[in-house]
Amino acid sequence: ETVLTQSPATLSLSPGERATLSCRASQSVSNYLAWYQQKPGQAPRLLIYDASNRATGIPARFSGSGSGTDFTLTISSLEPEDFAVYYCQQRNSWPPFTFGPGTKVDIK
Amino acid sequence: EVQLVESGGGLVQPGGSLRLSCVASGFTFSSYSMNWVRQAPGKGLEWVSYISSSSSTIYYADFVKGRFTISRDNAKNSVSLQMNSLRDEDTAVYFCSRDYLVAGVFDSWGQGALVTVSS
Repeated sequence: ETVLTQSPATLSLSPGERATLSCRASQSVSNYLAWYQQKPGQAPRLLIYDASNRATGIPARFSGSGSGTDFTLTISSLEPEDFAVYYCQQRNSWPPFTFGPGTKVDIK
Repeated sequence: EVQLVESGGGLVQPGGSLRLSCVASGFTFSSYSMNWVRQAPGKGLEWVSYISSSSSTIYYADFVKGRFTISRDNAKNSVSLQMNSLRDEDTAVYFCSRDYLVAGVFDSWGQGALVTVSS
């Protein structure tokens, strides 16, 4: 099973700042990595798939990069609605599909 | 607009059974594979099960194998999860989700159904 780790666990930033979230895989997942955003009491929302492809309707301030075992989600300038928990997830070696433990982006 | 609506959650005793359903609308359901993903209170996301568009391929996470059964009815645009031999650790919100073109990209999610296993 491919284990995903995310860092940091919590990121405290102010609106307008740049957010950089990391996801590391225990083995190569090629580029088959996705990022999801989840707000309290809501379902997750797909942001990025296959490492760098924005999902439909996702603003351009969200970008993804990486391949193999190291991936990054960047939010170029935080908007108030971006404060949430972010999960990475791999689909290279499945079953199972696995998720990282999440990074919480909160307001500084 | 794609919509997924889960139902069937509730309180059940350990060892009991529950059946979750997810009704889809706004897309050609029979063309998409579907999944169940769960989230224990205050915890992260955990994939539970996958079913292909024609039901020909089914997978389960090890922790539910032999206890849960996924199925779908393309005529009724629905996917179900039969959960037997429930344990305390199965307590979670269960989301149904749609695969975006390829397996493992969950592009649409339901609002979730809360399953509480407790005596």
